[in-house]
Amino acid sequence: QQQVKQSPQSLIVQKGGISIINCAYENTAFDYFPWYQQFPGKGPALLIAIRPDVSEKKEGRFTISFNKSAKQFSLHIMDSQPGDSATYFCAASGTASKLTFGTGTRLQVTL
Amino acid sequence: DGGITQSPKYLFRKEGQNVTLSCEQNLNHDAMYWYRQDPGQGLRLIYYSQIVNDFQKGDIAEGYSVSREKKESFPLTVTSAQKNPTAFYLCASSIDGGSGGPYNEQFFGPGTRLTVL
Repeated sequence: QQQVKQSPQSLIVQKGGISIINCAYENTAFDYFPWYQQFPGKGPALLIAIRPDVSEKKEGRFTISFNKSAKQFSLHIMDSQPGDSATYFCAASGTASKLTFGTGTRLQVTL
Repeated sequence: DGGITQSPKYLFRKEGQNVTLSCEQNLNHDAMYWYRQDPGQGLRLIYYSQIVNDFQKGDIAEGYSVSREKKESFPLTVTSAQKNPTAFYLCASSIDGGSGGPYNEQFFGPGTRLTVL
């Protein structure tokens, strides 16, 4: 079964700190790795995505780090803000396969 | 204004009733999906469709049914056979479901919260 394992399940970070969420996958055919952000009562929205031909992608305060040999990728949120408090899902897919989602990380950024 | 709409936002069902959740997209996407999300939990795939008049079961299809008669519509029926239907239901679409890369990127609707009375 194609799986994406996500950790931690929940995370508390102080305002201004760095939030780090990790994901690991098994299927070496995966070639697209998006992260989704979900606020309570809303649908998830794409935050940032990476292809395996690069090791890092940065968009504002959000960075994806990708380690192809370890089959791991992570989301870093720099200068975390209370407005970043949400649930984050990693996902992965490959040609001829739909997205497989991680189990989610609930992030709380405290003042 | 392109996107995915789901209706109703809130839905209440009596035990033994079938209810249908609506999902419409105007993104011209081929693939559509239904997920269930329980409080504090991840996304569990119920059904998906990669093309009109065709759909496949996901991980938790029992007690649910779908149809895909039009490209833009993918309604989900929660039947009385679903023993614990109270949950948040999310519909999504993607350009297609199998070409890989950004073509698999899913766009989500705002969700329907179903409560069994």
